[in-house]
Order: sequence, then C-alpha cells, then structure tokens
Amino acid sequence: SQQGEEDPQALSIQEGENATMNCSYKTSINNLQWYRQNSGRGLVHLILIRSNEREKHSGRLRVTLDTSKKSSSLLITASRAADTASYFCATDAAYGQNFVFGPGTRLSVLP
Amino acid sequence: DVKVTQSSRYLVKRTGEKVFLECVQDMDHENMFWYRQDPGLGLRLIYFSYDVKMKEKGDIPEGYSVSREKKERFSLILESASTNQTSMYLCASSFTRSTDTQYFGPGTRLTVL
Repeated sequence: SQQGEEDPQALSIQEGENATMNCSYKTSINNLQWYRQNSGRGLVHLILIRSNEREKHSGRLRVTLDTSKKSSSLLITASRAADTASYFCATDAAYGQNFVFGPGTRLSVLP
Repeated sequence: DVKVTQSSRYLVKRTGEKVFLECVQDMDHENMFWYRQDPGLGLRLIYFSYDVKMKEKGDIPEGYSVSREKKERFSLILESASTNQTSMYLCASSFTRSTDTQYFGPGTRLTVL
C-alpha cells in the first residue's frame, strides 16, 4: 500500500474559492512535500514541511501537518484557473531512503 | 534555475525493441531518479542513483536497467519493451539524498505497440 494518499481524488471549484486537499500517510516521516503537475508535464515542487513544523505558508498556499494523525492538508486560497492541475504529496519516511508519492488530487478551477 | 531535460516528449516503440530514455540535469546534483506514472497509481520509483556508476533498485525495477556514466546524465533502458511498459516516464534530480526537493523533467510518454 502507498505511504501517502491524497483525498479527494478529484475536486472541482469555482475561481475565487478555496481548495483543500488532504494527505494521509502510514509511517513516521522526516518531512512531507507537496508537488503540482500540470496536464502531461513534470512535477513542480510547491512546499516542504518538516516533521517538527505544524504549519507553513507560501503565497496563497498553506500547508498543515499533524504527525499524531499522520496527515497533512494543502489549502489554496482564492483559486485561479491556472491552479488547475494534479497535486501530489510526497513523504520522506524516517527510516526509508526515498520519497513515496501518493496518487494525487486532480483539481479543476472553473472560470 | 535547475533544468532537467528528457530526450523525448513522446515515443512509440514496438514490442521487443530496446528503448533508451535519457535524462540530463544541469545543476551538478548528486542524485537522479526514474519514475513511471500510471493513472490511479501515482509515481513509482524504478531506479535511482546517488553517484556516477552507482545505481540502486527502486520499487519496480523489473524489466528495466539504468546507466550513469556521467554525473549529469541518467539513462533508463528497456531491454525488450513490452506493452505493459506503456506509461509516462519522469526523471528527477536532487542535491541531497532524500530530504531535499526533487526537480523533475517534463516527462516522456512511451507507447509500446
């Protein structure tokens, strides 16, 4: 089974609304990262949150991490059509070697 | 800015052919990775390399091999392509081993007929 799993699988909102995506994982981690992928392209790093951090901001992005629940959320505020993409969380397991990516959340922002 | 390039955006090959996918990064990163991406499965690690001429298996290495003769270049080889290797292949690089950001290439969509 996968270390990180995003929820929901797909999300459709109107421009200007906020979008929230969640990621759950199974084992202890060093850090958790969020990536964005535009259709048919490579992934782009958005934000990294370490296991000793609870919240982090970057522009319109807000990431929270709850290690007791083994979950993270990505909030995109005031969404734009250009935010339409798939979003992936990647966990760096504390005792593992590499990232494990979840299947992603597909976000559609309608104009 | 870090730039990771992949040799082809789209590739069509026939069953049994030998396929080479090449990846080049320009930031002197130590680590390079090959993933495949399939709908509903996310990214799965095929192979990775922490140094020149060094390689380690990821989660799904069967049917693949890799080569890293130079630090900036990491090649993925399908010795005898099969239809179940039809997928999007993504290359990535990072400066440190596991805790740093990974930088991805644009991907190669491979179709095996």
